[in-house]
Amino acid sequence: NAGVTQTPKFRVLKTGQSMTLLCAQDMNHEYMYWYRQDPGMGLRLIHYSVGEGTTAKGEVPDGYNVSRLKKQNFLLGLESAAPSQTSVYFCASTKGRAEAFFGQGTRLTVV
Amino acid sequence: SQQGEEDPQALSIQEGENATMNCSYKTSINNLQWYRQNSGRGLVHLILIRSNEREKHSGRLRVTLDTSKKSSSLLITASRAADTASYFCATDPDTGGFKTIFGAGTRLFVKA
Repeated sequence: NAGVTQTPKFRVLKTGQSMTLLCAQDMNHEYMYWYRQDPGMGLRLIHYSVGEGTTAKGEVPDGYNVSRLKKQNFLLGLESAAPSQTSVYFCASTKGRAEAFFGQGTRLTVV
Repeated sequence: SQQGEEDPQALSIQEGENATMNCSYKTSINNLQWYRQNSGRGLVHLILIRSNEREKHSGRLRVTLDTSKKSSSLLITASRAADTASYFCATDPDTGGFKTIFGAGTRLFVKA
């Protein structure tokens, strides 16, 4: 039982490049989330999903897109990366209104 | 904007002492959760307290919730060096939708 797995763990992008972050969970959770964490700011919700085929915007959705084609996967896309998107990205999943299980994070640097 | 705000931002104590962290939030909630994050790692869930509960215990952890003051506290008793981490409160707002909102966290340093 791996829990929540994020890939990749590290990535360096040039401004304007695109990339996709993958989150996979094997706990059959309905809800999945993408957060970004910046120094001294805690976690801010980017997008979330309450089920397969559904997504919704969080606090800071601009510049990101997401897809939930399969229940176990939640993808976060950056279409045109900007230096302001340099951050650590965390994926999480929950079963209903319960504890969240987090991945280990993806450290993204945009130069 | 942050729903939860932790206080203090940083706390340094000696091993064996108790550590208390506070969290204030703005809107009514379904539940409030506390998480721990070790440096460079993902968050780990510690304890969840529902809006109709006032106190909850788990091992050396004690959480209280005062919905009238919109605040919660996390007490870690008999702290250990391994408790050194950042601690976050997270709220599930009772405003419809479904999203957990995190505060900025308290950095705890436990000196051996």
